[in-house]
Amino acid sequence: ETGVTQSPTHLIKTRGQQVTLRCSSQSGHNTVSWYQQALGQGPQFIFQYYREEENGRGNFPPRFSGLQFPNYSSELNVNALELDDSALYLCASSLSTSGGQETQYFGPGTRLLVL
Amino acid sequence: QKEVEQDPGPLSVPEGAIVSLNCTYSNSAFQYFMWYRQYSRKGPELLMYTYSSGNKEDGRFTAQVDKSSKYISLFIRDSQPSDSATYLCAITRPGRQFYFGTGTSLTVIP
Repeated sequence: ETGVTQSPTHLIKTRGQQVTLRCSSQSGHNTVSWYQQALGQGPQFIFQYYREEENGRGNFPPRFSGLQFPNYSSELNVNALELDDSALYLCASSLSTSGGQETQYFGPGTRLLVL
Repeated sequence: QKEVEQDPGPLSVPEGAIVSLNCTYSNSAFQYFMWYRQYSRKGPELLMYTYSSGNKEDGRFTAQVDKSSKYISLFIRDSQPSDSATYLCAITRPGRQFYFGTGTSLTVIP
């Protein structure tokens, strides 16, 4: 077990709704990255948060937004849900230092189904 | 062109076989290379992490990096049914995001 937790484990929403996913990072880690993993695909980078600031973003529209809190936990918010947003959403935590980012450890994911 | 390409499989081998999983990448600036294992409906689990050319061994697993060819491999010796999972390669460089392959599905048959 990595110590990274995510909630909820499963979620069903309808098109147009909004969703908030939560992640608690591993103890000692200060960086959280979010990924979207469609069925049969590798994880796709959404964005990363470091010290409560967005620190890099993948090719996702602005309706995907996030937050990082002082305790390094994080939220992913998705507005105006579309059917294609159905996927496993993964949170990964890591430690970033002046020497760079160490490797990432994943939580179990939240499986989102949009109907 | 994708940053990293992975042989998609699926791969099916008998128990005890040696398994070879492979990825290629496009940019020689990538410096860090990882292999993750993902069981069905679970998050990826880090198996190997390396940053130099050559081999790194951990039990039955060996990660190999050839920077001159931009080619990375994971070898599994004496494969077990519990090794049945999807294996993901990942690459990154300082200050940049992680890029993942599409994953190779492996089934080890008892």
